[in-house]
Amino acid sequence: EPEVTQTPSHQVTQMGQEVILRCVPISNHLYFYWYRQILGQKVEFLVSFYNNEISEKSEIFDDQFSVERPDGSNFTLKIRSTKLEDSAMYFCASSDSAENEKLFFGSGTQLSVL
Amino acid sequence: DAKTTQPNSMESNEEEPVHLPCNHSTISGTDYIHWYRQLPSQGPEYVIHGLTSNVNNRMASLAIAEDRKSSTLILHRATLRDAAVYYCILLNSGGSNYKLTFGKGTLLTVNP
Repeated sequence: EPEVTQTPSHQVTQMGQEVILRCVPISNHLYFYWYRQILGQKVEFLVSFYNNEISEKSEIFDDQFSVERPDGSNFTLKIRSTKLEDSAMYFCASSDSAENEKLFFGSGTQLSVL
Repeated sequence: DAKTTQPNSMESNEEEPVHLPCNHSTISGTDYIHWYRQLPSQGPEYVIHGLTSNVNNRMASLAIAEDRKSSTLILHRATLRDAAVYYCILLNSGGSNYKLTFGKGTLLTVNP
C-alpha cells in the first residue's frame, strides 16, 4: 500500500533555531495536512493545504509556522524560531479528496527543542 | 464539531472479538462516523467510516445505531497487533477540509 514518508524521524534543535520538517505525500493525493501530538496529549490539527495554498489553520499555527510544496512531491512544515513548547511529534497526512475519504498519515517526526 | 464519548480503556484477549463503543448523541444528519487507530509510536491509521448503514472492511466492522447516536467498532478476532488507541471521530460532509478532531480515544489492551 502507498505510504506517506516523513524525514527526519527525529530532530533535535536549540530554542530559537529554524527547523524544516519534510514529508512526501502519496503521489496522486491533492490535499495535505500537518498535525502534531505533544507527549501524552491528543493529536491536534495544525493546517490543511490544497492547490498551493492554506485552506484552513488552527490557532496553534501562528506566524512562526509556514508550509510549502516546493516541488511536485514534497510538502514541508517550517518553524521559524522554535520554542520549548514546540517539542512534539509532527505528523504529515494526505488524502485524494476533501470529503470523507481516508486520511493517510506518516510515521511522524519527533521534534525536541532544547 | 460534534462530540464523541468513548471509554478510556478496554481489555481483550487474543483471538476474541472486541466491541469498542462510541456515543455521539449530538450527531447531525450530515456527520460521518470515522474510526482511526494509533499504534504505539506510529501515526494515526484509518480503520473505517460510515454514515447510516453498517460497514465492513478487511480491518473491522462498524455497527451504527438506528438513531445514529452511538456506534460500535467491531474487531472480529483481536490480535496483539490490534493493541492501540482507537479514536471515534465525527466529520461533517459539508466541510471543505478534512480536519479531524481527535479526542482521547480508547486504549485497547490485548492479552495473549
